[in-house]
Amino acid sequence: AQSVTQLDSHVSVSEGTPVLLRCNYSSSYSPSLFWYVQHPNKGLQLLLKYTSAATLVKGINGFEAEFKKSETSFHLTKPSAHMSDAAEYFCVVRKAGSYQLTFGKGTKLSVIP
Amino acid sequence: SAVISQKPSRDICQRGTSLTIQCQVDSQVTMMFWYRQQPGQSLTLIATANQGSEATYESGFVIDKFPISRPNLTFSTLTVSNMSPEDSSIYLCSVPRTGDNYGYTFGSGTRLTVV
Repeated sequence: AQSVTQLDSHVSVSEGTPVLLRCNYSSSYSPSLFWYVQHPNKGLQLLLKYTSAATLVKGINGFEAEFKKSETSFHLTKPSAHMSDAAEYFCVVRKAGSYQLTFGKGTKLSVIP
Repeated sequence: SAVISQKPSRDICQRGTSLTIQCQVDSQVTMMFWYRQQPGQSLTLIATANQGSEATYESGFVIDKFPISRPNLTFSTLTVSNMSPEDSSIYLCSVPRTGDNYGYTFGSGTRLTVV
């Protein structure tokens, strides 16, 4: 079985400072990993994905994530937070050979002016 | 990638009634997925809907409570039946991204409140 743990339910940063949203996963097989963002009253938007190619993955809006197999982690980072980054972020794992997604519980990111 | 139109965006319903949620995709897709996001919780897969066959439900979800229709490759409905306050959630549909073996596109969600 696979699972995803987002270590922080809420992260608050000042505008212009770095963002770190933590995610650990558990999967019996080589997984695909994703980060999705959900803005209030909006649909889920794919930020980036890891699919067994480069371990450092660059996504949209300046976000990136590093797949660390030894630590079973896939943390999301951004060098400088912008007000528009305030949203809910979900770490998601997909088991190899399956369409089924397992979502983390989400991390709400607040950006302070 | 595909664009999904989901409606209604929100509704407030009386307990004991039913609500049907619609998802329209702008391209043909084989698989559609329905998720529930309970307040303060993550997304949970309800069922997978393939055109021309019965939907496949995940553990804890049954067809009598969440009947799904998939009449063609661009459309699906999810009905939440005999609602109770515990059904208050956001319901989302999702399809695989066109030309992408890994990503998914999600509808904007239906925020349901049962009173």
